[in-house]
Amino acid sequence: NAGVMQNPRHLVRRRGQEARLRCSPMKGHSHVYWYRQLPEEGLKFMVYLQKENIIDESGMPKERFSAEFPKEGPSILRIQQVVRGDSAAYFCASSPTGGKGRGGEQFFGPGTRLTVL
Amino acid sequence: GNSVTQMEGPVTLSEEAFLTINCTYTATGYPSLFWYVQYPGEGLQLLLKATKADDKGSNKGFEATYRKETTSFHLEKGSVQVSDSAVYFCALNSNDYKLSFGAGTTVTVRA
Repeated sequence: NAGVMQNPRHLVRRRGQEARLRCSPMKGHSHVYWYRQLPEEGLKFMVYLQKENIIDESGMPKERFSAEFPKEGPSILRIQQVVRGDSAAYFCASSPTGGKGRGGEQFFGPGTRLTVL
Repeated sequence: GNSVTQMEGPVTLSEEAFLTINCTYTATGYPSLFWYVQYPGEGLQLLLKATKADDKGSNKGFEATYRKETTSFHLEKGSVQVSDSAVYFCALNSNDYKLSFGAGTTVTVRA
């Protein structure tokens, strides 16, 4: 039973380029969450998606960032025109239900470490 | 809003020493509480959880008890090993889907 998959594990971009981060949830999970971890900080919620729907994107910067979770395929976090401040680890998590179902536990992927030069 | 405050690190211990990492929280409703562990270069793994007051979560020798009266969920282990060196995050899930995390505590265990 594969866990949450994320790719790439490491991504280097120059300022102004686009970054695309992919996340495949655990089998049977239809709820996906993205978190960002800045150096020396805890994880901060960015966005919550279900298949084809964005439920809550309140933690996502208003500009340059977007997320999707299509009917088929992985969830994508897209960052356009990256800047150095976007350098961070981006973690995807999934759960079989939303909210506090099954205690609210979320299962995390290994993360994508984005470096902006 | 929800928030988690955990003991600042770094914490350095010798093998077989006792480890405690304090965690307190502020939340609406009745949150579920978690400890996640992050080994170097890896993602977060759930270490233990508790979903209601007075519950004790335990795993791999680690324990934490959900104390509603003190809004705390302190992590303890009686005898640490070098392999326990990692960053530990306290987190809560209140009546929605957002996990709120503490800043993390880096633990280093020396042989």
